[in-house]
Amino acid sequence: AQTVTQSQPEMSVQEAETVTLSCTYDTSESDYYLFWYKQPPSRQMILVIRQEAYKQQNATENRFSVNFQKAAKSFSLKISDSQLGDAAMYFCAYRSNAGNMLTFGGGTRLMVKP
Amino acid sequence: DAGVIQSPRHEVTEMGQEVTLRCKPISGHNSLFWYRQTMMRGLELLIYFNNNVPIDDSGMPEDRFSAKMPNASFSTLKIQPSEPRDSAVYFCASSLGLVSVIAKNIQYFGAGTRLSVL
Repeated sequence: AQTVTQSQPEMSVQEAETVTLSCTYDTSESDYYLFWYKQPPSRQMILVIRQEAYKQQNATENRFSVNFQKAAKSFSLKISDSQLGDAAMYFCAYRSNAGNMLTFGGGTRLMVKP
Repeated sequence: DAGVIQSPRHEVTEMGQEVTLRCKPISGHNSLFWYRQTMMRGLELLIYFNNNVPIDDSGMPEDRFSAKMPNASFSTLKIQPSEPRDSAVYFCASSLGLVSVIAKNIQYFGAGTRLSVL
C-alpha cells in the first residue's frame, strides 16, 4: 500500500517570503499522480497543483510550484511571495494510475506572519 | 456549476441516534468518494462509488456505517447507532472517474459536514 508522509506539522513564513513544504511517499508503482490540496479555516479542500509522475518537468501554477524528485520519492511545494490568504492546512496526496483513490499525508499547517 | 454540495454543514446528535449525511456530486461526474477527517487519523477514504456502484468500502469502519448512491446525483452516508468516536468532519468528493487525462480525473471536494456525537 502507498503511504504519504508530511514531516512538518507546522510551518511559518513571513508575508512576501518563500516557503517550501515537504512531502515524501512510498510506492512500488512507476506511473502515478501527486497533488497538493489546501484546506483553509472554511474547511473546503481546494486543489492547488498536480503532477504526473511520467512528466519530468515540475508543475507550476502562478506562485505555487513543485519540486518533484521521482527517484527520491519526494514532492515538495514551494509558495513564492506568500500572502496572508495562503495560511491554511496543506495536504499532499497520491493517486495510483490504476486506481481512483487518493491517499493523503497528515498535513502541514502553514502560518503567514504579516 | 455549484460544486459538490453536502448537507448538513453541522450536525450535533446524541449517542445512539441515527445520523444521515447527504451529498450531491458535480453534474456529469461518475465517481463519488466519502472521506472522514479526524485529528488522530487525518483524512481517510471510507468508500467510493463508480457509476453508482460501490467499488471499495474497505475503509468503512464497521457495520454501523453504510453508504448508498441511488442515482448519479445523490449519495448518503448513514451511521446507526452513532457513537462519540464518530465525531469528525465528513467530506464528499466527486470526479470524472477512470479516464486517462489527469485534468479530468481531479477530485473536487464539498465543504464537509462536521459531526459531533455527544
